[in-house]
Amino acid sequence: DTEVTQTPKHLVMGMTNKKSLKCEQHMGHRAMYWYKQKAKKPPELMFVYSYEKLSINESVPSRFSPECPNSSLLNLHLHALQPEDSALYLCASSQWGAGGLGHEQYFGPGTRLTVT
Amino acid sequence: GQQVMQIPQYQHVQEGEDFTTYCNSSTTLSNIQWYKQRPGGHPVFLIQLVKSGEVKKQKRLTFQFGEAKKNSSLHITATQTTDVGTYFCAGARKTSYDKVIFGPGTSLSVIP
Repeated sequence: DTEVTQTPKHLVMGMTNKKSLKCEQHMGHRAMYWYKQKAKKPPELMFVYSYEKLSINESVPSRFSPECPNSSLLNLHLHALQPEDSALYLCASSQWGAGGLGHEQYFGPGTRLTVT
Repeated sequence: GQQVMQIPQYQHVQEGEDFTTYCNSSTTLSNIQWYKQRPGGHPVFLIQLVKSGEVKKQKRLTFQFGEAKKNSSLHITATQTTDVGTYFCAGARKTSYDKVIFGPGTSLSVIP
């Protein structure tokens, strides 16, 4: 199984809502990532979990809160978002962290988020 | 901070023509990966290069890693309509093993 799954596929939320994005992988990968991607732009790293511990937070606003309940699951909790947060949110996993073989990232299909 | 640049930003080619995209980093990389994202899709891993001067081939795709490990290229021979998409390089810094920096991507259009 080389698949990363993400739910939901699409999400529309108001600025006062609280919602969560979910990501799951069963490849035994020990690093998991959240990226944000705007149209015609590259993926922009938000968070990295390595061995279920948060290892990188790219100065993401606190209205985005990541959680890694176990090695297969990654959540992104959303609260009080702004319209400019509308984007494709991609989850990815890799066997290990960066550096050396095994770093290739497997991306999920993403959640298309619209904040109204 | 580290920057990864790619040129060109866009490329329109006639089907059957060759295509090359170039990737340059401001710092030495431990490795570089290439990803392809089809329109409406998600990035899909193509290849990873680790060694200085490394060259790898996948059918019509040829990937190179520069001797100084600061630049890379992807060359597609005889493009097909299935090659349409955005090609991203992503470099891993030597000092940070948990993240890669994605280049801005090259969007390839193939005219049948």
